[in-house]
Amino acid sequence: AQKVTQAQTEISVVEKEDVTLDCVYETRDTTYYLFWYKQPPSGELVFLIRRNSFDEQNEISGRYSWNFQKSTSSFNFTITASQVVDSAVYFCALSEKRGGGSQGNLIFGKGTKLSVKP
Amino acid sequence: ETGVTQTPRHLVMGMTNKKSLKCEQHLGHNAMYWYKQSAKKPLELMFVYNFKEQTENNSVPSRFSPECPNSSHLFLHLHTLQPEDSALYLCASSQVRGPYNEQFFGPGTRLTVL
Repeated sequence: AQKVTQAQTEISVVEKEDVTLDCVYETRDTTYYLFWYKQPPSGELVFLIRRNSFDEQNEISGRYSWNFQKSTSSFNFTITASQVVDSAVYFCALSEKRGGGSQGNLIFGKGTKLSVKP
Repeated sequence: ETGVTQTPRHLVMGMTNKKSLKCEQHLGHNAMYWYKQSAKKPLELMFVYNFKEQTENNSVPSRFSPECPNSSHLFLHLHTLQPEDSALYLCASSQVRGPYNEQFFGPGTRLTVL
């Protein structure tokens, strides 16, 4: 069965600190997709990144970077020089590829609440 | 408008009321989803519609009734709800086939059942 674990329930940092959000997943499929979403206090989940299982290259987008390691089934998310606007709940999610070219549903972790203090 | 919109944003209802939540996507997607997000619980997938056909119902009580008249609109009809149904209800859409399967979410409807 697929499962996504975000062991950190809440993290609090001071502005400008770097912070890493952990995500560990379980799946039996060889083809799957991993995602990170941000949920600010307004409630809307904002898509941040999608990564397929064949692409283990790390990705950097501004202050955000993602470290995908299949050997440890992890897809960790690092925010460099955090800012107050980064305060939100962050969700990691997994989907598997189904037959006929369709995608499986998203399995979400429980989320990590990040608080960045000024 | 762009993206995924949901109305109303906030709803307070009694247990005997009937109300409906509306979701509309302007992204040309062919799949739509309802999720429930309660305090201290992970996101729970409720219903999935692919090309207007319901493909998943995750053991949701019959007091929640979805309707998908076309690929752009999704409704969640509510009747005789319980206080434990109070939650944030999120709608999402995606392109069900092809490489880009990320779901795009609306802002949610914050539901309070008295």
